[in-house]
Amino acid sequence: GQQLNQSPQSMFIQEGEDVSMNCTSSSIFNTWLWYKQDPGEGPVLLIALYKAGELTSNGRLTAQFGITRKDSFLNISASIPSDVGIYFCAGQRVSGGGADGLTFGKGTHLIIQP
Amino acid sequence: GAVVSQHPSRVICKSGTSVKIECRSLDFQATTMFWYRQFPKQSLMLMATSNEGSKATYEQGVEKDKFLINHASLTLSTLTVTSAHPEDSSFYICSAETWREYTDTQYFGPGTRLTVL
Repeated sequence: GQQLNQSPQSMFIQEGEDVSMNCTSSSIFNTWLWYKQDPGEGPVLLIALYKAGELTSNGRLTAQFGITRKDSFLNISASIPSDVGIYFCAGQRVSGGGADGLTFGKGTHLIIQP
Repeated sequence: GAVVSQHPSRVICKSGTSVKIECRSLDFQATTMFWYRQFPKQSLMLMATSNEGSKATYEQGVEKDKFLINHASLTLSTLTVTSAHPEDSSFYICSAETWREYTDTQYFGPGTRLTVL
């Protein structure tokens, strides 16, 4: 199946630093989503983006839906230890029969060094 | 709100046996549920779309006779892995779709770890 191009694959940062990750696709999506997954658990929705150009914040998280509808980025400001985990972008298309299943990126593994 | 549960959370079975995994939306009704598979250190891959009262739609490369999906009610979908083999060992995650804040949103279950010996 298709996967989105997500980068970076992993990040080693110091606590308090800002984080930025992005996803690109060769095709258009109607919706872009960002999830966080902790080991052995299901993904938890962080931010959902529904309009091209949309910029949305959720606390220290900010995400944008690219104008071309083929990309998105997620920023985390002032990282804290609980931000550790794997972050996935996901794209969703809406067809005549309703919303489709999600296409995920390969994930960004965030590691915070004390 | 929007809680999705899966049962069991972890299962170990012998090669050749069948395993059933349940996905339930606890506080909402979901006409559509999705099943994903995640191998270690990899991303989630969509396996199939499950619609209440109709046949599931499978992604290319997913064997429908091996991964049986039943969406019996608006709150329950089941995935049965038939004649499981070691290569079927994976983390199986479901999601349920609901209308929230003027749009469809998928909420994920906690996943089921399947190990086939």
